[in-house]
Amino acid sequence: DTAVSQTPKYLVTQMGNDKSIKCEQNLGHDTMYWYKQDSKKFLKIMFSYNNKELIINETVPNRFSPKSPDKAHLNLHINSLELGDSAVYFCASSHPSGNPSSGELFFGEGSRLTVL
Amino acid sequence: AQSVTQLDSQVPVFEEAPVELRCNYSSSVSVYLFWYVQYPNQGLQLLLKYLSGSTLVESINGFEAEFNKSQTSFHLRKPSVHISDTAEYFCAVSKTGFQKLVFGTGTRLLVSP
Repeated sequence: DTAVSQTPKYLVTQMGNDKSIKCEQNLGHDTMYWYKQDSKKFLKIMFSYNNKELIINETVPNRFSPKSPDKAHLNLHINSLELGDSAVYFCASSHPSGNPSSGELFFGEGSRLTVL
Repeated sequence: AQSVTQLDSQVPVFEEAPVELRCNYSSSVSVYLFWYVQYPNQGLQLLLKYLSGSTLVESINGFEAEFNKSQTSFHLRKPSVHISDTAEYFCAVSKTGFQKLVFGTGTRLLVSP
């Protein structure tokens, strides 16, 4: 059983298109995240949701909109894709702040987005 | 705000040799420290973590890291590496009790026969 699963794994699209990446976790965690890993492997947090509520929103263009229909799902929608959006996007989940295991993230396998 | 520095972008080493991957952090408050490993085309996996207590923490596959508050370091070590240890290693820091992890830029460990 995959703990954190993302779809699609690979996504190739043209500039200007809109695309979505889905994420689901079956670990019973309350907190979910989206991280972006660029071509130099640098990982940066984009968003974090705790029980469907947005708690971290880093400086990310408005073209990126996360949606959490329930605490097990956190989807990422990207409008008007640009070349610089090409990256690997990782979904992750964790226990909430205050839990002894807080800070330990469980990552999905990533979704590689290529914008042409 | 917290930050992490991994000075070595790549560390080549021969199989069965010891290795140390360096990590320094910056923070004005107490922190949690982590090492994550990323194998090719996979997500990150937690290798080991320091939350409190003993400053020396160990993983199940022979890695260890020591929290040194005075030097603000959390270096990762293994006395004898295997080919299968070839991967990208990320050091990360968070404020105690917070989930926002700040990652270093990663160190690629290349183990050759």
